[in-house]
Amino acid sequence: EVQLVESGGGVVQPGRSLRLSCAASGFTFSDHYMDWVRQAPGKGFEWVGRTKNKEKTYTTEYAASVKGRFTISRDDSKTSLYLQMNSLKTEDTAVYYCATFISGYPYWGQGTLVTVSS
Amino acid sequence: EIVLTQSPGTLSLSPGERATLSCRASQSVDSKYFAWYQQKPGQPPRLLIYGASSRATGISDRFSGSGSGTDFTLTVSRLESEDFAVYYCHQYDGSPPYTFGQGTKLDIK
Repeated sequence: EVQLVESGGGVVQPGRSLRLSCAASGFTFSDHYMDWVRQAPGKGFEWVGRTKNKEKTYTTEYAASVKGRFTISRDDSKTSLYLQMNSLKTEDTAVYYCATFISGYPYWGQGTLVTVSS
Repeated sequence: EIVLTQSPGTLSLSPGERATLSCRASQSVDSKYFAWYQQKPGQPPRLLIYGASSRATGISDRFSGSGSGTDFTLTVSRLESEDFAVYYCHQYDGSPPYTFGQGTKLDIK
């Protein structure tokens, strides 16, 4: 069974940093691209970014709203995905989900809440 | 970027009725990479339909998806009380950014 479990959320002041983790199991993690998606309170979903697999040299892509501030990485040996968030803004407040698409089937975690507030 | 526009914004129906939700894409989407989700307050999205018309694991056959290209539909037959929620469409075709519709709220009339 595919499982994605996010952690690392919390309350952080504007301008500070936070690192989220996503522990994956139930599939061959190293083969698959991994994504981050977020949902601000009371709003819809926004794709944040993705990391490709080793075959694609772990290439990363980002939404314009986070490019230059957020960095996605992965550790295939630990089957884990990370989201390093720097220079956080109040508008980054959201539930952050990790996700993957296996043969067209989307899998999502339960999410972790990040609140950016002074 | 592919823009997904859902209609209506809110749909008010009674239990037992049929709900038809629409999602229109600004350009053609490969139906293999199109999904519908249900979300209730405080919960993560629940996958209902993937590949435009395939039900996800454990999803009732009251939920069905159809469509291709730029027009997709989610139908919920014989509404039950637990079906009243917000529904989102999602495309993950080709290169990012992957996009979502703004949601349709299904309300009890």
